[in-house]
Amino acid sequence: NAGVMQNPRHLVRRRGQEARLRCSPMKGHSHVYWYRQLPEEGLKFMVYLQKENIIDESGMPKERFSAEFPKEGPSILRIQQVVRGDSAAYFCASSRRDRGYNEQFFGPGTRLTVL
Amino acid sequence: GIQVEQSPPDLILQEGANSTLRCNFSDSVNNLQWFHQNPWGQLINLFYIPSGTKQNGRLSATTVATERYSLLYISSSQTTDSGVYFCAVPPSGSARQLTFGSGTQLTVLP
Repeated sequence: NAGVMQNPRHLVRRRGQEARLRCSPMKGHSHVYWYRQLPEEGLKFMVYLQKENIIDESGMPKERFSAEFPKEGPSILRIQQVVRGDSAAYFCASSRRDRGYNEQFFGPGTRLTVL
Repeated sequence: GIQVEQSPPDLILQEGANSTLRCNFSDSVNNLQWFHQNPWGQLINLFYIPSGTKQNGRLSATTVATERYSLLYISSSQTTDSGVYFCAVPPSGSARQLTFGSGTQLTVLP
């Protein structure tokens, strides 16, 4: 029973390039969450999605960042025109669809380095 | 939004010692999770514990929701227990996303 999958595990981009991070939730999970961990800090919520629907993006920076979770395929976190301050570990989590809160399980993260 | 505070921020133990990590939160919650981030950066689920006490091997956790705190106990610590321990709660009753504390950095020495 595979856990949450993220790829790539490490990503290096130069300033101004685009970064695309992918997340496949656990089998049977239809809720996806993205979190960012800046160096030496805790995790901060970015966005919460269900299939074809953004539920809460209150933690997303207003510019350059976008997320989607299409009907088919993984969830994508896209960062356009990356800057050095975007260097961080980006974690995806997933949970089941039941009403109310459900335990979240995290992927291994994508470590983005912006040169 | 809800505030989550963890203590102590750093803890150094000799192998075999016991420890207690604390998580305080500023508002009532109906869910709480504990995680271990190992030295490779992976987040491991430890407990999903909105209230009461749970045990898993050498680890146990207790959440007293009415008093807004949770405790994580580690007994007979091992070097593999090293890493950062986070507690996390939803920011409000209806929210699903998690608000994380700043973590406790645990180092277990051989």
